[in-house]
Amino acid sequence: QKEVEQDPGPLSVPEGAIVSLNCTYSNSAFQYFMWYRQYSRKGPELLMYTYSSGNKEDGRFTAQVDKSSKYISLFIRDSQPSDSATYLCAMLEGAQKLVFGQGTRLTINP
Amino acid sequence: GAVVSQHPSWVICKSGTSVKIECRSLDFQATTMFWYRQFPKQSLMLMATSNEGSKATYEQGVEKDKFLINHASLTLSTLTVTSAHPEDSSFYICSAAPGGVDNEQFFGPGTRLTVL
Repeated sequence: QKEVEQDPGPLSVPEGAIVSLNCTYSNSAFQYFMWYRQYSRKGPELLMYTYSSGNKEDGRFTAQVDKSSKYISLFIRDSQPSDSATYLCAMLEGAQKLVFGQGTRLTINP
Repeated sequence: GAVVSQHPSWVICKSGTSVKIECRSLDFQATTMFWYRQFPKQSLMLMATSNEGSKATYEQGVEKDKFLINHASLTLSTLTVTSAHPEDSSFYICSAAPGGVDNEQFFGPGTRLTVL
């Protein structure tokens, strides 16, 4: 079993839709939870990070963490074609090591 | 700010040759640099962590004699794939961390290696 599981998709939705991306994890030691966005042939860029269970909002993006269920989510409201990318969840193991999910390829159709 | 570059962006080599990939932090000093490998439709897998002036720490299953890492300065780390084989073909991505409370990693654009 992988430490971090993420549905690879692909996921295709119309512009303006609400997108829900999810990851589950098995390691209770993970404390920090991140979402990265990766465009084709580019490195990942950090979108959001959270520490505690609950919700964190940043513009159209909301990150949600449920530590009791070992489940994290990223919601994108009013999705735009420019949001089309691969979204990776990642978790911090110890002080530095990032453990990534497989990534979900998202396409927003105009 | 916080820009990380990689060179080359794309390289093709013959089996048995060695390839060097450079990772530079352009506008900050990186206490720590990381090397990841990403196979198609798979997640980024950490290969090794390096601190300037120290030997790299390799993840389990990564051959340190095959993947040589040199972190010669606070702005430059290199990964050399020695005696490359087709199974080494992958997308290699570095990241750099300036240190501090957040310890955020900033990722380079990646290097696509194809071994014939």
